[in-house]
Amino acid sequence: QKEVEQNSGPLSVPEGAIASLNCTYSDRGSQSFFWYRQYSGKSPELIMSIYSNGDKEDGRFTAQLNKASQYVSLLIRDSQPSDSATYLCAVEIGSSGSARQLTFGSGTQLTVLP
Amino acid sequence: ETGVTQSPTHLIKTRGQQVTLRCSSQSGHNTVSWYQQALGQGPQFIFQYYREEENGRGNFPPRFSGLQFPNYSSELNVNALELDDSALYLCASSSGKHNSPLHFGNGTRLTVT
Repeated sequence: QKEVEQNSGPLSVPEGAIASLNCTYSDRGSQSFFWYRQYSGKSPELIMSIYSNGDKEDGRFTAQLNKASQYVSLLIRDSQPSDSATYLCAVEIGSSGSARQLTFGSGTQLTVLP
Repeated sequence: ETGVTQSPTHLIKTRGQQVTLRCSSQSGHNTVSWYQQALGQGPQFIFQYYREEENGRGNFPPRFSGLQFPNYSSELNVNALELDDSALYLCASSSGKHNSPLHFGNGTRLTVT
């Protein structure tokens, strides 16, 4: 059973629209949550991290976490063609002293249409 | 501050061969972890090294092994290569502190023929 689930997409939105990316996870012990952006042929780039319930905003990006529902999302406002990429949700269960292991979803491919 | 660097960027090997991939961690980071990303999938945790010892391992066979050196750089070794080992291999370093994010290197694209 996959521990982190994402809609594989592809998700297409027009330029200037809001893109909404969703992720669910199975382990209630998960403590840290990350969104990575990955352009084709490149390595993942960290864009957001969130650790407590609620919203966290950074520029055009907003991460939302609901631990009760085991759900984390990423909103991209005013989407730009340069946002076209695969977005990876990653979850960490770790505790101090143990290996910091991220479990990734398979990613959602986002295309922003000019 | 230098980021995570990996070498080589691309590599082609034949089934049954052995390969060594290298990673230099970001300045100030003492923890290095390795991930395998198959095409169309998210990265999968292979193992992590802290203070030159493996302190965590994912679901990978023993033919995947590693080292960490006193300067915190690391190697990933894969023996008896199989076609399914073809993937992007990612190294990530961190300070080891709770909640410190992982930053990935540019990866090594391994193709096994």
